[in-house]
Amino acid sequence: DTAVSQTPKYLVTQMGNDKSIKCEQNLGHDTMYWYKQDSKKFLKIMFSYNNKELIINETVPNRFSPKSPDKAHLNLHINSLELGDSAVYFCASSLAGTGLHYGYTFGSGTRLTVV
Amino acid sequence: AQSVTQLDSQVPVFEEAPVELRCNYSSSVSVYLFWYVQYPNQGLQLLLKYLSGSTLVKGINGFEAEFNKSQTSFHLRKPSVHISDTAEYFCAVSDGKAAGNKLTFGGGTRVLVKP
Repeated sequence: DTAVSQTPKYLVTQMGNDKSIKCEQNLGHDTMYWYKQDSKKFLKIMFSYNNKELIINETVPNRFSPKSPDKAHLNLHINSLELGDSAVYFCASSLAGTGLHYGYTFGSGTRLTVV
Repeated sequence: AQSVTQLDSQVPVFEEAPVELRCNYSSSVSVYLFWYVQYPNQGLQLLLKYLSGSTLVKGINGFEAEFNKSQTSFHLRKPSVHISDTAEYFCAVSDGKAAGNKLTFGGGTRVLVKP
């Protein structure tokens, strides 16, 4: 009955590879997000989708491509991985407009290590 | 643009002592304020939020925070900490726009509770 689930939990890969991270929420939320947490614990938003529509796209290399097949899923594909992409990636969800009353619900994160 | 500053990167505290974590924000519009906690190797969990009304907000696990508009602060307090409160704490701000409700996080404060 996990609310926001991410897979995989850990991902170790070589530079230059392409990888995907998947996120699913069963809360009935209509907005989903990807955040990146660096080694100093700093959290920065990358993307946000509302009902499958991209609404936030921060300054992120175009090697990162989000995809939302439906409002319960938000995936992140990364091409040509670089060492600097190593981080923990968090998926989150909320209800647009009323979501602030509940805050975001976060997944447990995907720790990506690029070697 | 909104921003959040957490003035202390680390706060060591003895068990059963009080703790205060400082958070200051800047925003040109009305704000909504949040505190999240991140336990080791886990995602973020909402502690409490200020949306409107009473400036003293009570959250889970005995935490409370006070919104001070004139000082643009939202400090988090707990009168008596437990070992289990050892974690990273994040202050966050949102301008409440419906589309995306983007949360901007501070850099985090690591609380280390000592026996």
